[in-house]
Parts: sequence; C-alpha cells; structure tokens
Amino acid sequence: KAGVTQTPRYLIKTRGQQVTLSCSPISGHRSVSWYQQTPGQGLQFLFEYFSETQRNKGNFPGRFSGRQFSNSRSEMNVSTLELGDSALYLCASSQRRTSGSNEQFFGPGTRLTVL
Amino acid sequence: KQEVTQIPAALSVPEGENLVLNCSFTDSAIYNLQWFRQDPGKGLTSLLLIQSSQREQTSGRLNASLDKSSGRSTLYIAASQPGDSATYLCAVNSGYSTLTFGKGTMLLVSP
Repeated sequence: KAGVTQTPRYLIKTRGQQVTLSCSPISGHRSVSWYQQTPGQGLQFLFEYFSETQRNKGNFPGRFSGRQFSNSRSEMNVSTLELGDSALYLCASSQRRTSGSNEQFFGPGTRLTVL
Repeated sequence: KQEVTQIPAALSVPEGENLVLNCSFTDSAIYNLQWFRQDPGKGLTSLLLIQSSQREQTSGRLNASLDKSSGRSTLYIAASQPGDSATYLCAVNSGYSTLTFGKGTMLLVSP
C-alpha cells in the first residue's frame, strides 16, 4: 500500500508570492491534516479536511487555506508569502475513526523557503 | 488548551544502553497518544499508538506506556543502536485527527 505522498518536495519562493502544496493520502483514508514545522515553534496544526470539508482549523492567519477533492487529495495554499512562512509542511492522513485507534500517517513533507 | 512537554530535549548514549524518553500532557481527555520518529529533514514515521484505554504497547525493542490520569507517557528503547539516532516526537490526539506535539527529544546513539 503506497504511503502519503507530497509534492513538490522543495520550493523556493520570494516574499509576496503565493504557493500551492499537494498531498495524496493513503488509499482509503478520507481525512487529511496539514502541519507546519519550524525550529522555533515545532509542529503546529494548520487544518484538517474530511469529505471535502474543513473540519478543524489551527491558529494561523487567513493567508493559509486549503481544499480537498472528491478523491481525498488535498491542496494547501499560502498567499502573500512572508519570510516566517519558511518551514517544512507535513500532511497526514487517517481514516478518522471516532475511536482511539485513529492512527495518523505522515508524508515526507514539502520544504518551503521564502527569500 | 492541550500542552505537551518532552524531557529531555536531547540525549546522547553509547550503543547498547537502554533508555527512556518522557512525555507529559496537560489535559487527560485524549483519544490516543502516538510516538513518532523523525530523521533530519524528513517526515514522521509512526512508531507506536496507545489508545486511551490501554496502558502500554510494544513493537520490537520499543515499549510505550501511558498513564492518562497523571498525563504521562514513556517510550522505552532497549539495547539502543546507532540507527536509532533521530528525533522522537510524542503527539496527543484530543479529537479525531488533530494532534498536539511536544518539541521532541533528539537522540544520538554513538558506536
């Protein structure tokens, strides 16, 4: 079974530009969550999509947005990039079980550098 | 608001040692707790998941315990090897797919 895939793996952008990151979950998983990882703040939850609807949102500005398609693939968009947006962006997929057995599986991440 | 703390922040041990990594969380209303491993610049690899109703889980040389009432979990690594060198992250699931992470323990196992 293929794991979570993320594209692209690396991105370099300049301030003010926008960027779109893509995540394909494990086959059969309908929940996709996005996280930002920086040396200072660690891993922080951005948002979760399930059945094409945003279900939860972390404490990030509106410049960060996402969507999910009918095949469960998800995209994340960051507009008006700032230097502080430089980070490793990770997505995770799960079956979104209501029980405690809901295990999260992460992709390799997209390394975004903003110059 | 859930907060997760991991101690120590870094650990250096010689090969063969048994070691314990600690994780504490502030809100005991959790669904489960996951331990992850992260190699430099890479994604997260799930090591163990402990459901809130469980006390421990084992996988090979790894054993994770959970004491929900006291808000603590430990990851025990037996007979450490240089290949175990990585950052170990503890994450608490307080609702469906939202994980709250600790800052991690950076482990270095020297030959």
